[in-house]
Amino acid sequence: RKEVEQDPGPFNVPEGATVAFNCTYSNSASQSFFWYRQDCRKEPKLLMSVYSSGNEDGRFTAQLNRASQYISLLIRDSKLSDSATYLCVVSSADSWGKLQFGAGTQVVVTP
Amino acid sequence: EAGVTQFPSHSVIEKGQTVTLRCDPISGHDNLYWYRRVMGKEIKFLLHFVKESKQDESGMPNNRFLAERTGGTYSTLKVQPAELEDSGVYFCASSHNKLGGLNTGELFFGEGSRLTVL
Repeated sequence: RKEVEQDPGPFNVPEGATVAFNCTYSNSASQSFFWYRQDCRKEPKLLMSVYSSGNEDGRFTAQLNRASQYISLLIRDSKLSDSATYLCVVSSADSWGKLQFGAGTQVVVTP
Repeated sequence: EAGVTQFPSHSVIEKGQTVTLRCDPISGHDNLYWYRRVMGKEIKFLLHFVKESKQDESGMPNNRFLAERTGGTYSTLKVQPAELEDSGVYFCASSHNKLGGLNTGELFFGEGSRLTVL
């Protein structure tokens, strides 16, 4: 079983619409959670950290459900520039430098 | 400020040959990481340096892989001899020290070195 599982998509989203997707993680000892964004053939970049209480950064909202071990990302008012692969990333408390990546969820925003 | 730079951007070698990848982290970042993504799979951790010391090398696949960070600045990852399954994109990343005991999670990645083993 993979440490971090994501729906690969693609999620085809009309511009201006809302899209949401989840990931699940297997290690209940995981302490830190993140969403990274990766554009085609580019490096991953941190989009946002995910906190237990949920957090928002502009049009992006992240939620964490520790009981069910899943993390979600919601994008409101999608822009064409939001087209990318979104990577769910988890780290453990005792190995903070070792990140576990999901394979990514592809989002395609169409005009 | 310069980001994480990696060299070469793409390397094509034959099975059995040796390749050395180089990473220059962001200046002042003590933490340096190597990750790789093989075709169709997720990005996987290889190892983590704190300055010149290997903090965690649990992700190194076998002894054909050797990572060094002499002087705690740039790092090299050597694959010798290369096998077909080593093909993929090798990412280097760097980060600040942990602040206040919290993992900020922000690793700054280089654009990767794409390795093709024929």
